Amino acid sequence: EVQLVESGGGLAQPGRSLRLSCTASGFIFGDYGLSWFRQAPGKGLEWVGFIRSKSYGGTTEYAASVKGRISISRDDSKSIAYLQMISLKTEDTAVYYCSRGASTYHYDRGTYWPWGFDYWGQGTLLTVSS
Amino acid sequence: QTVVTQEPSLTVSPGGTVTLTCASTTGAVTSSYYPTWFQQKPGQAPRALIYSTNNRHSWTPARFSGSLLGGKAALTLSGVQPEDEAEYYCLLYYGGAWVFGGGTKVTVL
Repeated sequence: EVQLVESGGGLAQPGRSLRLSCTASGFIFGDYGLSWFRQAPGKGLEWVGFIRSKSYGGTTEYAASVKGRISISRDDSKSIAYLQMISLKTEDTAVYYCSRGASTYHYDRGTYWPWGFDYWGQGTLLTVSS
Repeated sequence: QTVVTQEPSLTVSPGGTVTLTCASTTGAVTSSYYPTWFQQKPGQAPRALIYSTNNRHSWTPARFSGSLLGGKAALTLSGVQPEDEAEYYCLLYYGGAWVFGGGTKVTVL
């Protein structure tokens, strides 16, 4: 059974840094890309960033709204993806979800992009407040 | 700034049919936007329904179908069940980024 479990959320102060984790099981983690999404309280979903599998270069993409403040990495030996956030802002308060990229890709802008996202974790709540 | 627009809310009777749409401020939505649809119920994580316009996941009931309709991506629910009451989000790929629509609240009444 495919499972994704996010962790690392909680209360953080503005300006501080934090790392969220997404621990996967039930599939060959290294074969898939992983994306992070977030949802502010009572609001809609927002794509945050994506990391490709090593087979597709292991490269990352970030939403313009968070670019420069976040980085996504992965440890395939532990089946974990990370979302590192710096200079936290109150508007970063949200539930953060990780999701597995689909196994089918299309080619655009010199690299590969999944057709969509299938399995999601249950999310971890990050509250940024002083 | 790219904006993806969905109907804020729709109401459907049990057993009925409803179509949700997903439009882009950049113009007509085509298959190159790889439209994806998700269902989210209160307090739960999103659940993927449709990817790349009209492909169901293995767990997606056959009553959910995706298409392109009049320059928009569309999700049609046929034979609506009470458990289909939820928020539905579309996601479009824009050359290097993904953008969500604001969501459609579907009420089954």
